Amino acid sequence: DTGVSQDPRHKITKRGQNVTFRCDPISEHNRLYWYRQTLGQGPEFLTYFQNEAQLEKSRLLSDRFSAERPKGSFSTLEIQRTEQGDSAMYLCASSFGLGGETQYFGPGTRLLVL
Amino acid sequence: GIQVEQSPPDLILQEGANSTLRCNFSDSVNNLQWFHQNPWGQLINLFYIPSGTKQNGRLSATTVATERYSLLYISSSQTTDSGVYFCAVDKDFGNEKLTFGTGTRLTIIP
Repeated sequence: DTGVSQDPRHKITKRGQNVTFRCDPISEHNRLYWYRQTLGQGPEFLTYFQNEAQLEKSRLLSDRFSAERPKGSFSTLEIQRTEQGDSAMYLCASSFGLGGETQYFGPGTRLLVL
Repeated sequence: GIQVEQSPPDLILQEGANSTLRCNFSDSVNNLQWFHQNPWGQLINLFYIPSGTKQNGRLSATTVATERYSLLYISSSQTTDSGVYFCAVDKDFGNEKLTFGTGTRLTIIP
């Protein structure tokens, strides 16, 4: 059990550019979650997948954000036309089961939009 | 949505002291987890505790679901305990988004 991994760990980009983050969940975990954390706040839910199906999206996930989990394993989160307000830590978590299980978090990707 | 409040917001203690962190939530929950976020941002699972009491070394937690609160106890604090402690809840079975509190920042002074 190698834990949840995320890549890259840090990303600096200019406003208007597109960025893509990757998350590899714990092996055999069927659920995968994305959260966003801004400075001084707790993480906020963005979206989650059960296998390859995206089951819920937060209103925080504007049209510029898209997430995929094409084969039910790793997931990508893409932000198009980045804005300075997108600067945050993007956290991925995974769990196994049908609901109410422990979520295990990755180290996060810290995004800075200049 | 469900509201999660943590207290105190900040806590500064001498090494060796004990502490109690509180989490209040506004509705019944299916899932409650305590996390420690280290200075590098990693969220480390401490407890999965929607009800009852658990202990792990110097840490223990109690959730009284009927009264909608949870407590995290840290005994004999060490400098490595410093960081932010988050409580997170999930309201409904099958509704999997964790709602986090704003955290308690714990600083342990040598």
